Amino acid sequence: DVKVTQSSRYLVKRTGEKVFLECVQDMDHENMFWYRQDPGLGLRLIYFSYDVKMKEKGDIPEGYSVSREKKERFSLILESASTNQTSMYLCASTSVGWSGQGARAKNIQYFGAGTRLSVL
Amino acid sequence: RKEVEQDPGPFNVPEGATVAFNCTYSNSASQSFFWYRQDCRKEPKLLMSVYSSGNEDGRFTAQLNRASQYISLLIRDSKLSDSATYLCVVNDPIYNQGGKLIFGQGTELSVKP
Repeated sequence: DVKVTQSSRYLVKRTGEKVFLECVQDMDHENMFWYRQDPGLGLRLIYFSYDVKMKEKGDIPEGYSVSREKKERFSLILESASTNQTSMYLCASTSVGWSGQGARAKNIQYFGAGTRLSVL
Repeated sequence: RKEVEQDPGPFNVPEGATVAFNCTYSNSASQSFFWYRQDCRKEPKLLMSVYSSGNEDGRFTAQLNRASQYISLLIRDSKLSDSATYLCVVNDPIYNQGGKLIFGQGTELSVKP
């Protein structure tokens, strides 16, 4: 089974703090993603990474940065946390290609359990 | 226009009912289609991929109409445990090799006894 592990389930931080959210996957996946999910807004992509040291901006990168020094680890950084960054953060990973299920499934993303971040 | 649009919820149905969810996507170049399920306060998990010929997994049937850019999910004989939010998902063809997906906002299903 694919395992995507996020370092914290719940986090409470103060405005202005630097916050690190860590994500590790154990399936040697090339691609990793960070999303935030808010009621009524669905899943929104913050950043993603194709490979080590590679990163691409998603739909809402402002106020965030990322780091991918090792293939299995993708970190999301809030340089100076603000109250509007209170949200559920989800990490995902995927390999691109063919799976064993009928040799047609691909691009399937596997998610971590999420981190509920509150910024006070 | 949203890239992936789903029926607004919530759907409240009795146990045993048949319920159908619909979804449309805007980019005709998308090639991969999925339904994900998300339980309350949990992460999304893949329910099933959607193939052009249509596919079935037990009580769940998914259909794809490329000409209309339309995806559907049918759940037969609903169970209490089917209560969740169902996300329609398509790949972003601009990042086809990067596995970038576009998620719909989800449709909430509540199955009542």
